[in-house]
Amino acid sequence: AQTVTQSQPEMSVQEAETVTLSCTYDTSESDYYLFWYKQPPSRQMILVIRQEAYKQQNATENRFSVNFQKAAKSFSLKISDSQLGDAAMYFCAYPTGTASKLTFGTGTRLQVTL
Amino acid sequence: DAGVTQSPTHLIKTRGQQVTLRCSPKSGHDTVSWYQQALGQGPQFIFQYYEEEERQRGNFPDRFSGHQFPNYSSELNVNALLLGDSALYLCASSGGQNWDTQYFGPGTRLTVL
Repeated sequence: AQTVTQSQPEMSVQEAETVTLSCTYDTSESDYYLFWYKQPPSRQMILVIRQEAYKQQNATENRFSVNFQKAAKSFSLKISDSQLGDAAMYFCAYPTGTASKLTFGTGTRLQVTL
Repeated sequence: DAGVTQSPTHLIKTRGQQVTLRCSPKSGHDTVSWYQQALGQGPQFIFQYYEEEERQRGNFPDRFSGHQFPNYSSELNVNALLLGDSALYLCASSGGQNWDTQYFGPGTRLTVL
């Protein structure tokens, strides 16, 4: 069964600093996508970034970037210049099957302090 | 451009009752997926609807059923509610192709007493 593991239940970062959230996954497929979603207290799941496994280049969206290590099945999220609004639960997710159902990790709660 | 919408926002039911949750997909999307998120956990896939048919189903009992309408909106029905059905129910829409990004609605918080 495909699994997604987030080993950091909670992380804390000071405003303007950089933090990295870890994610590992298990798959036998060679071509796939990976996602990071953010869920603030408002509950809505918001897409942060998406990585295509066939691309060598790591995805970047403004202050958010990934470190994708395909051989190690690792997909970490780096947040630069952290802001108070970045405080949320962050979920790593991997789509599988004909319906591309998302399998989520258990999440990492990020706190941003002044 | 309207995103994914869900109704109602909150719902309180008692054990044994039935509930219907509704979802309208993002403009241009034809596929709707439903997820259940228990407190403190990641979302779990319930099922997906495409072309008014259930395309894939997760590990949920038959008490959970759904429907997709010709305008691509969808309903999630849960019969014979149990206390354990208390959760946040998330709807996500996508373009229907493999690995298309799924965009989520704000969720419906269901409390079963």
